[in-house]
Amino acid sequence: KNEVEQSPQNLTAQEGEFITINCSYSVGISALHWLQQHPGGGIVSLFMLSSGKKKHGRLIATINIQEKHSSLHITASHPRDSAVYICAVRDDKIIFGKGTRLHILP
Amino acid sequence: GAGVSQSPSNKVTEKGKDVELRCDPISGHTALYWYRQSLGQGLEFLIYFQGNSAPDKSGLPSDRFSAERTGGSVSTLTIQRTQQEDSAVYLCASSLVFGVDTQYFGPGTRLTVL
Repeated sequence: KNEVEQSPQNLTAQEGEFITINCSYSVGISALHWLQQHPGGGIVSLFMLSSGKKKHGRLIATINIQEKHSSLHITASHPRDSAVYICAVRDDKIIFGKGTRLHILP
Repeated sequence: GAGVSQSPSNKVTEKGKDVELRCDPISGHTALYWYRQSLGQGLEFLIYFQGNSAPDKSGLPSDRFSAERTGGSVSTLTIQRTQQEDSAVYLCASSLVFGVDTQYFGPGTRLTVL
């Protein structure tokens, strides 16, 4: 069974800081997702990766298949980025990390 | 519609009753997913459909849970003889094709079993 570990569990930072959230998994996968869950509960899919790097606005996601590791970066963080960020991996099922709670202070 | 819709948004039921949760995916999306998020817990994958077929039902928590999808569109998740531990937010998502596309999430159904 694939184990998905996210770090840190909680992160508080000042507006403008560069943020990195990490995700490691134990077994080879076909794809990895980064999701964002806002305090109201709604979930937005940010990225789906199978290799390399993707960028969307201030968000960047990378994956290293050999090291079984992915990172989500937020540049010039803003209070509206405050949310829970969830990593999910897909092999024959979809398995979620426990999430990273990010709080950006103004 | 513009996005994934779910109904009802909230459901309160008595222990032992059956409930049916509905998901309307984005038109044209062949893949549909059901997830559960219990209070204070992470997301849990339940089942996915590719078209009307659910290849793997092992993620369903018990045999009281069943799901079906008809016409490659609407899906229903049925929970029979509900228990208090079934209380959670049930989320549905859809994507163009299973596993290779962005998933779009619905707003969820909050189920409370008294």
